[in-house]
Formats: sequence, structure tokens, C-alpha cells
Amino acid sequence: DAKTTQPTSMDCAEGRAANLPCNHSTISGNEYVYWYRQIHSQGPQYIIHGLKNNETNEMASLIITEDRKSSTLILPHATLRDTAVYYCIVSERKGRESGAGSYQLTFGKGTKLSVIP
Amino acid sequence: EPEVTQTPSHQVTQMGQEVILRCVPISNHLYFYWYRQILGQKVEFLVSFYNNEISEKSEIFDDQFSVERPDGSNFTLKIRSTKLEDSAMYFCASGRPDISYGYTFGSGTRLTVV
Repeated sequence: DAKTTQPTSMDCAEGRAANLPCNHSTISGNEYVYWYRQIHSQGPQYIIHGLKNNETNEMASLIITEDRKSSTLILPHATLRDTAVYYCIVSERKGRESGAGSYQLTFGKGTKLSVIP
Repeated sequence: EPEVTQTPSHQVTQMGQEVILRCVPISNHLYFYWYRQILGQKVEFLVSFYNNEISEKSEIFDDQFSVERPDGSNFTLKIRSTKLEDSAMYFCASGRPDISYGYTFGSGTRLTVV
């Protein structure tokens, strides 16, 4: 089962920042936090990942608390096209024998983000 | 931007028939996956494939299922004798975690078993 807890749904006004929280209190030291999203019935889309430090890319920022028990995905200027289900996933990267660096995605129910005009 | 291509986009089959779902992963990717999503439910892991063999599979991936990379470019999922409960969206994904941490998913094949 998923090791994360996310709110079922959130609304955000278009143009405002969307802050999506995730609790992962049982995360272990070698597990990464990954965020994916699924727009309607399309395939999931990778957004960002992190281990300890905050991360930023062209899509979003990821803030991880110092104790690593929770994180927040930030979409700085939400648009209507950001309406989707957002999944926070923790997973360990595998060693050389089973596929160096690969990780398994265990999807929970995610947060349904609705961006409102 | 490179894409994972899945065909067909929609397949309808009769119960008991065999189906093959096809995927063309991104060309320099080394890791390949199948996931499925029953309507209204979570995305579920089926199988991962690396170095021309299955590296992990879930409890869902029983003897009814098989995967193959027949020609070095295609990656297929075969369901031998379909059941009504196999109706779902099937997503293929590929990755190259030594270069990029994210997996790229295809747009899926909607399988309907009647």
C-alpha cells in the first residue's frame, strides 16, 4: 500500500500558487519522494523528485521538511491545464542487480487539484 | 520531446480471447513497465522489465500475463485468456534512471472485455 497521505481534493484559483501537501512519516533514509500527476485518463506524468533538499524545476518546486516526514509540491502559477490528480510517492532506488537506480511506483489515491478560473 | 507510444488506443475483445498490447518505449531507455488502471481506481503496477527479463512483478501479473521485447524496440503485454475484470487502461512506461529520475508513460490502451 501507499506510504503517503494526501488530501483527497483541493481547489486553487488560476494564477495563484498551488501548494499540495503530503505526509510520509514512515519514510526511510534511502527513500526518495516523487511527484507524478495524471490529467484526466492520460498516463501519469513525472513532475519532480527529492531526497533531502528542496528542489525546483521548470514545472514545480518541492519542499521537504528537515525530518523528511512531509513535503509540499508547489505549482507557482497554476493554470487550468494543471487540473489533475497529483500523486506523492516514496520509493527506494534499487541497487545494481535489480536495475540500478530504478524504483517502483506505488500509486495511492492522490489529490485531485481543481484549478478554477 | 520523446514519447512512449502505445497501440491500439482502444481494444474491445471477447472474454477468453488473447490480446496483445503494444508499446514503443523511448529509444535509449533501458527500463520498461506495465501498469493498469481499472476505471475509477488506482494505478497499479504489473511488471518491470530490464536487461531482457522480468525484474519484478506484482500479484496481479499471474500466468495469464506475459511480456516480451521481440525486436529491441517494441515492448508487448500479452493477456492469454481475457476475463471481464481485465477491462482497464493499460499504461506502458519506460525510464533511464541513470540519466533522468522520471519515468515516461504512454497515453494508454483502453481494454474492454465483453
